[in-house]
Amino acid sequence: DAKTTQPTSMDCAEGRAANLPCNHSTISGNEYVYWYRQIHSQGPQYIIHGLKNNETNEMASLIITEDRKSSTLILPHATLRDTAVYYCIVRVGTSGSRLTFGEGTQLTVNP
Amino acid sequence: GAVVSQHPSRVICKSGTSVKIECRSLDFQATTMFWYRQFPKQSLMLMATSNEGSKATYEQGVEKDKFLINHASLTLSTLTVTSAHPEDSSFYICSAREQGVGDYGYTFGSGTRLTVV
Repeated sequence: DAKTTQPTSMDCAEGRAANLPCNHSTISGNEYVYWYRQIHSQGPQYIIHGLKNNETNEMASLIITEDRKSSTLILPHATLRDTAVYYCIVRVGTSGSRLTFGEGTQLTVNP
Repeated sequence: GAVVSQHPSRVICKSGTSVKIECRSLDFQATTMFWYRQFPKQSLMLMATSNEGSKATYEQGVEKDKFLINHASLTLSTLTVTSAHPEDSSFYICSAREQGVGDYGYTFGSGTRLTVV
């Protein structure tokens, strides 16, 4: 699985958009970009994933650059409950393969 | 949506004893379950992958005789920490993949905080 690089921490004001970047310059053509988050002392929660097109769901939007070497997770209106560690994971989308977590980004949403 | 129940949420045990942690998929069948360990201020580290009806596959450096994994049914996997020591104190998290669902079908349990005294 391709290695990802994320900032260690970010801050965001409540109600504003949170933009979390992820660099995955060694991504290969059959690898997907996944985002999970982990609120303190809980299990990770799936957010969104994509291959090359931008994706949006009720939680967030995922913007993948045309060369697929980086992506941005966007939380459009961050709330205090969005404070968590956000993990960007790149992996081949085959059934049953494991998820390997990097260090992630600690997002703190401030009132 | 898919729910994974993990019990207990918190356990304190004496050094030398064994502790069993259960991971259940409540409303789906899980062909594959994963066990992770997380130390304070660190990321999740995959310990092993278990497939229903077969032996677990352990990651390098994880002692299979110390961390016993059983996946006897499509809805239950257990992790037993044998002869626990203080250095085994950690946050243990299981994950289950729903059978027949695409690659977003990984659901995590709420974790078990193990403290060995």
